[in-house]
Amino acid sequence: GAVVSQHPSWVICKSGTSVKIECRSLDFQATTMFWYRQFPKQSLMLMATSNEGSKATYEQGVEKDKFLINHASLTLSTLTVTSAHPEDSSFYICSAGRDRYNSPLHFGNGTRLTVT
Amino acid sequence: GENVEQHPSTLSVQEGDSAVIKCTYSDSASNYFPWYKQELGKRPQLIIDIRSNVGEKKDQRIAVTLNKTAKHFSLHITETQPEDSAVYFCAATSSTSGTYKYIFGTGTRLKVLA
Repeated sequence: GAVVSQHPSWVICKSGTSVKIECRSLDFQATTMFWYRQFPKQSLMLMATSNEGSKATYEQGVEKDKFLINHASLTLSTLTVTSAHPEDSSFYICSAGRDRYNSPLHFGNGTRLTVT
Repeated sequence: GENVEQHPSTLSVQEGDSAVIKCTYSDSASNYFPWYKQELGKRPQLIIDIRSNVGEKKDQRIAVTLNKTAKHFSLHITETQPEDSAVYFCAATSSTSGTYKYIFGTGTRLKVLA
């Protein structure tokens, strides 16, 4: 159990376009999902906490208007990178838990975004 | 803000030896501490976790210890094997005003030499 699916696995886009990444919890409901960004050989940097039915909570330094998060249902959260630039190229990975603060996080497969 | 420090950043051990990775956290209210293993290009996978009401937990070759007073916890891998080579991340949960989040350490790249 506790499967998290993320799509797409990789995407290449042109500078100035927008890219949407989906994160689904397949066998459990997640009122909270987390979006991380990971640079090569670096740690998981929390970008924002996605809350079902309400606005996402962004970490300091993360642009809300650039990284739009929508959590429309208990099993789906989306991250849209708007007006992407080459510096947005990175590995984006979502995660979800069973909504207890002392329960494991389960990660999606990640999305490698390359902006040309 | 909340912070998790992890050491060492890289660790090389001979096959069969033990490996120890240490983390410290800043939020005294943290009460859940998972460890994840991430292989190249793959998602992090939970390998062991510990809650604040326990001081030690073991699962075969892997063990975790927690010292709440000192706010640090450690991962111990015994009888290391080449397939243990990966990046390991510790994490601590932090809860504020009814919301919670997981803060990750900077990672340890473990290399087990055959």
